[in-house]
Amino acid sequence: DAEITQSPRHKITETGRQVTLACHQTWNHNNMFWYRQDLGHGLRLIHYSYGVQDTNKGEVSDGYSVSRSNTEDLPLTLESAASSQTSVYFCASSEQKTVTDTQYFGPGTRLTVL
Amino acid sequence: AQSVTQPDIHITVSEGASLELRCNYSYGATPYLFWYVQSPGQGLQLLLKYFSGDTLVQGIKGFEAEFKRSQSSFNLRKPSVHWSDAAEYFCAVGAASGTYKYIFGTGTRLKVLA
Repeated sequence: DAEITQSPRHKITETGRQVTLACHQTWNHNNMFWYRQDLGHGLRLIHYSYGVQDTNKGEVSDGYSVSRSNTEDLPLTLESAASSQTSVYFCASSEQKTVTDTQYFGPGTRLTVL
Repeated sequence: AQSVTQPDIHITVSEGASLELRCNYSYGATPYLFWYVQSPGQGLQLLLKYFSGDTLVQGIKGFEAEFKRSQSSFNLRKPSVHWSDAAEYFCAVGAASGTYKYIFGTGTRLKVLA
């Protein structure tokens, strides 16, 4: 069965370090998304991609970057981790470039920045 | 600006009781509305979605939701809750103009008493 996976599931890092969170999907979806989930905020969009070599900023993109070199993967990089980036990160994908299409979510990565 | 409000942060119900989770949205046009469920340690799973037509939408796991334009609401209901329904529930509105993205509510955590 097709799926979307994230690694690592848990990560502890120190302030100032570079961190990369992996997202891999086998749905062959063109569209991929990164969200962060924080208490009292729900899910907020960090970055998204509509295809290879395409990346776009979401509402909370500062301090994060993504690159899309193939259809299956959209890694999220924290260039210099900050305590404010302690959060749970979710990757999602969808087939159609339309708001009516279902997004499929990965299991999440819990990141702690000390 | 588009927004989604879930007024109840926590709800506790007894197993077998009925359930209603509230969701109010602010959106200038016809909204695209979604309910997602997040079980502990899992990613989000789509329960149901509304785009147009019949205002009562049936979803998976016995859930339904009713779109009420006059009240800007999209409440989720279930006639008889099971212990396995304990989870966090997110309402979301799809932003149809400009970028394709969801705006999520802050979530309602459901606890089910045996």
